[in-house]
Amino acid sequence: GAVVSQHPSWVICKSGTSVKIECRSLDFQATTMFWYRQFPKQSLMLMATSNEGSKATYEQGVEKDKFLINHASLTLSTLTVTSAHPEDSSFYICSAKPGANVLTFGAGSRLTVL
Amino acid sequence: GENVEQHPSTLSVQEGDSAVIKCTYSDSASNYFPWYKQELGKGPQLIIDIRSNVGEKKDQRIAVTLNKTAKHFSLHITETQPEDSAVYFCAASPPSNTGKLIFGQGTTLQVKP
Repeated sequence: GAVVSQHPSWVICKSGTSVKIECRSLDFQATTMFWYRQFPKQSLMLMATSNEGSKATYEQGVEKDKFLINHASLTLSTLTVTSAHPEDSSFYICSAKPGANVLTFGAGSRLTVL
Repeated sequence: GENVEQHPSTLSVQEGDSAVIKCTYSDSASNYFPWYKQELGKGPQLIIDIRSNVGEKKDQRIAVTLNKTAKHFSLHITETQPEDSAVYFCAASPPSNTGKLIFGQGTTLQVKP
């Protein structure tokens, strides 16, 4: 079946640094990928839609200059959290849709900012 | 935009009993309604889904019902087992078919042995 892989699965960084999270579709091409954020014991909130070869579409309230998204190929989207602060600590999850099939989620990346 | 409400937030049942989780959505144009199971520290896993042209779908111990008129859908788990314990999320997808999902708040299901 379709697999979406995220890396790293967890990362700890110092406040003020930037962190990059990768999302790969392993056995299919994805022109569109989605980035979600999930705080502890809360639901998944859509942050942005990543579009291959064009700019990402951000949801209301999400700072595009802080959460940089790049979708340079049909199998890779990256989310960079710039100048991270403790309030950015969260579980970041990406997803992609392999053709007409259902949306497939990655295993998530847990970010902890000290 | 679409808004999805999910109830209850927590549910505790005895092993073997049934569990029901309910969701309502606001956008009558939404046409796809998946349910996901999320275990601690992992990404959501699809367990069942239903499209707007179907009223009910069943897969072994899991079933989903959809009432388009009332704009609500429900997850039914029968003969619950301890391994069913997890957080369950419903979601609704607008008709653009790009894969965008709006999630409910989640239900923490605990199945007691």
